Amino acid sequence: QVQLQQSGPGLLKPSQTLSLTCAISGDSVSSKSAAWNWIRQSPSGGLEWLGRTYYRSKWYSDYAVSVQSRITINPDTSKNQFSLYLNSVTPEDTTVYYCARELVSTTSMQECAFDVWGQGTMVTVSS
Amino acid sequence: DIQMTQSPSSLSASVGDRVTITCRASQSISSYLNWYQQKPGKAPKLLIYAASSLQSGVPSRFSGSGSGTDFALTVTSLQPEDFATYYCQQSYSTPWTFGQGTKVEIK
Repeated sequence: QVQLQQSGPGLLKPSQTLSLTCAISGDSVSSKSAAWNWIRQSPSGGLEWLGRTYYRSKWYSDYAVSVQSRITINPDTSKNQFSLYLNSVTPEDTTVYYCARELVSTTSMQECAFDVWGQGTMVTVSS
Repeated sequence: DIQMTQSPSSLSASVGDRVTITCRASQSISSYLNWYQQKPGKAPKLLIYAASSLQSGVPSRFSGSGSGTDFALTVTSLQPEDFATYYCQQSYSTPWTFGQGTKVEIK
C-alpha cells in the first residue's frame, strides 16, 4: 500500500522560503509509471496544481506558470522522497498544501490520475 | 490552460436519491477526466479515472460518463457517507486543472 507522509513547518514570515517534504512508502520516487506532484487548496476549496517531478530515464519537472519563478520540486532518491520549495512567500501563499502521486497508464501518459495523497499541511504566512 | 466548470456548485439531496454532477472542459479533452471526493479536513480521494473507470475499492453506485468537453458523475443511490464535495480534473495537458467543486449536502 502506497503512502505519502508530509512534513515541514506550518508558519512562515513573508519573503521566507516554504519547504515541504513528502516521504514515499510502498513505491519509488524513480518509478517510471508515476509522477510526484504538489497541489494546494485555497480556503474557498479551489484546488491548484503547483508542479511535479518524474523520472523517465532522466529527471523532469513541470511547474504552473503562476508560481514558475518561485518554485522548485526536487526528488531525493537516497531517502525516497520529494520536496517543494517556494521562495518569497506572501500571505497569499497561506493555504493547505498536498503532495500526491500521479499514477500513469502504461499505454498513455495522458491517462493519469492522483491516486494517493499526503495528509495535507496547513501553511500560514504572517509577519 | 484548460478551464473546468462544474455544475451545480452545490446541491441538496436525500439518502437514496440519484445525483448527477456535470463538468465541462473549455476544449476537448477526449476521455482524460478524473473525479475526486473530498470530505472536510481530508485529502481528495480518487473515484473515477479516464472518464468512466472506477477506481479500485470505490462502490459501484458511483459512475462516470462523457467524452470531449462534457462529462458527468452519477451516484445512483446516495448514502450518508457520500455527502462531500466532488471535483473533476483534466489530465489532457499540463497544467492539470480542477473544477471548482460541487458540494453535496443533506436535504
